[in-house]
Amino acid sequence: NAGVTQTPKFQVLKTGQSMTLQCAQDMNHNSMYWYRQDPGMGLRLIYYSASEGTTDKGEVPNGYNVSRLNKREFSLRLESAAPSQTSVYFCASRIGGSGGYTFGSGTRLTVV
Amino acid sequence: KNEVEQSPQNLTAQEGEFITINCSYSVGISALHWLQQHPGGGIVSLFMLSSGKKKHGRLIATINIQEKHSSLHITASHPRDSAVYICAVGGGADGLTFGKGTHLIIQP
Repeated sequence: NAGVTQTPKFQVLKTGQSMTLQCAQDMNHNSMYWYRQDPGMGLRLIYYSASEGTTDKGEVPNGYNVSRLNKREFSLRLESAAPSQTSVYFCASRIGGSGGYTFGSGTRLTVV
Repeated sequence: KNEVEQSPQNLTAQEGEFITINCSYSVGISALHWLQQHPGGGIVSLFMLSSGKKKHGRLIATINIQEKHSSLHITASHPRDSAVYICAVGGGADGLTFGKGTHLIIQP
């Protein structure tokens, strides 16, 4: 049981490049989330998907897009990376309702 | 928007000491989560609680809904407990609001 799998684990981009962060869960969870973690700040919600076929903006959505490809997969895309998007990105999932959260191991992204 | 405050921000203790980390929040919630993050590592869920007290091994989490306050206790602390402990609140589909974390170091 792999839980939540994120790829890649590390990435360096040049300003203006695009990339997609992948997230997949094998727990049949309904809800999936993308968070970013920056030094001195708590994790902040970028986008979430409460169920397959739906996505909604979180606290800091600017510069990002998401796709809930199916129940298992939720990807985060940076269309034109900026240095302000240097961060550690975490994907999480939950069954829904009152369930607990399962987090991926994170993607450390540096934009130069 | 819920505001989540943790204290202390940093804590260094000796092995074997009893550890307490506090969390307060501003708006009533349906659930509070305690999470653990080791340096360079992923995030692991320790507890989810909506009332009372939960215990898992040497870890104890309590919550007082009326006072909007929760505590995480570690008994007989060990160097492997060194990590960042994060409090988060939220029970809806729109995710969690996180505190900034408490950096805990347990010295042998």
